[in-house]
Amino acid sequence: QSALTQPPSASGSPGQSVTISCTGTSSDVGGYNSVSWYQHYPGKAPKLMIYEVTKRPSGIPDRFSGSKSGNTASLTVSGLQAEDEADYYCSSYAGTNNWVFGGGTKLTVL
Amino acid sequence: EVQLVESGGGLVQPGGSLRLSCAASGFTFSSYEMIWVRQAPGKGLEWISYISSSGGTRYYADSVKGRFTISRDNAKNSLYLQVNSLRAEDTAVYYCARQYRSTTSCTLDYWGQGTLVTVSS
Repeated sequence: QSALTQPPSASGSPGQSVTISCTGTSSDVGGYNSVSWYQHYPGKAPKLMIYEVTKRPSGIPDRFSGSKSGNTASLTVSGLQAEDEADYYCSSYAGTNNWVFGGGTKLTVL
Repeated sequence: EVQLVESGGGLVQPGGSLRLSCAASGFTFSSYEMIWVRQAPGKGLEWISYISSSGGTRYYADSVKGRFTISRDNAKNSLYLQVNSLRAEDTAVYYCARQYRSTTSCTLDYWGQGTLVTVSS
């Protein structure tokens, strides 16, 4: 069982919005500003999509946004596109150079 | 362009050993902390080890402490993970990742594509 809880699957039609949640504790998600989201295609390197809860790295479209409330972080993908279909993982710093991760959410674009 | 390329995985018998490598390029390797993360089949990601930029500080997850050793060679821009006394539950894809630290946060900003370790008789 992963330290952070994510729904195993999410789906939406092209153009719609979908939100993926990531629930931890006050020792990780709730206690640090270091929550990130990764997009992962099997066999490829995970790609950073959101860092510091809400920030997007250069080159990541603004259709991807992040937020946090208490011990739960969320990733919202707006204007879904076919290429958004992938696995998404959340992570949180948990102190002393220790990281915790979610179990992953498979996003399907219908 | 930042690149991290893992190698060294393979099929090993229980109790066996492997040395995983992570070749870094496109950035000043010696300036960054690095970590190893693994993903067992059908499971989520698991942090397993951290090393400081100089190599002087190392941390391990309880699940691998005493069996795995992280190291780095800044002259060769390479990160390593020596994995000993392997068990079936160590079967996973092993990823290296760069840890970027700012004044207010930490981020794992670049990852490799992973190398598969299979422990089986």
